[in-house]
Amino acid sequence: GEEVAQTPKHLVRGEGQKAKLYCAPIKGHSYVFWYQQVLKNEFKFLISFQNENVFDETGMPKERFSAKCLPNSPCSLEIQATKLEDSAVYFCASRGGRWFFGPGTRLTVL
Amino acid sequence: DQQVKQNSPSLSVQEGRISILNCDYTNSMFDYFLWYKKYPAEGPTFLISISSIKDKNEDGRFTVFLNKSAKHLSLHIVPSQPGDSAVYFCAASESGGSNYKLTFGKGTLLTVNP
Repeated sequence: GEEVAQTPKHLVRGEGQKAKLYCAPIKGHSYVFWYQQVLKNEFKFLISFQNENVFDETGMPKERFSAKCLPNSPCSLEIQATKLEDSAVYFCASRGGRWFFGPGTRLTVL
Repeated sequence: DQQVKQNSPSLSVQEGRISILNCDYTNSMFDYFLWYKKYPAEGPTFLISISSIKDKNEDGRFTVFLNKSAKHLSLHIVPSQPGDSAVYFCAASESGGSNYKLTFGKGTLLTVNP
């Protein structure tokens, strides 16, 4: 389709629990980006993929965050042992010319 | 350090008047700039872009101006409409907007009053 799909829309986790977010990029787009938006402020870049390969992971908190983009599957962003400060909206974007953003997943860590 | 700055958190204008949103950047490697519009509970949607080889790009009511020497760009909306009320984000990229990441400003909330 012509939209970036993100699931779930909302996710609530207790501190220390795992959270997994999914992103289906637009068909034919080779590049996928994950951003974190805390408190409606700026978008913090986390990681980008070129197809299934990590392209840039300079924004990833390496100890608890991981991400994958496998062939024929949605991309995923996983947070092990969530902390309160992980509460944010996580946006996925795909690029095939322009960057198209998904609607985001709101993660609330209690 | 913030590489893309939007120094006005909010802007209020009257319907029909011009809205001018400003953005400054510090990274001289940025060569492709974009404006996104964002409504609550939605993802950012692309509005208009400009490459560093240009100083102006126009699309309907929206015009983006780029001043490379000042590292400054602005978005003009004329005439402003109530439906334009949203948060506007300025974003920048290196290398002609290839597969590199976008760096965003913190956004400006535009309110257009009827």
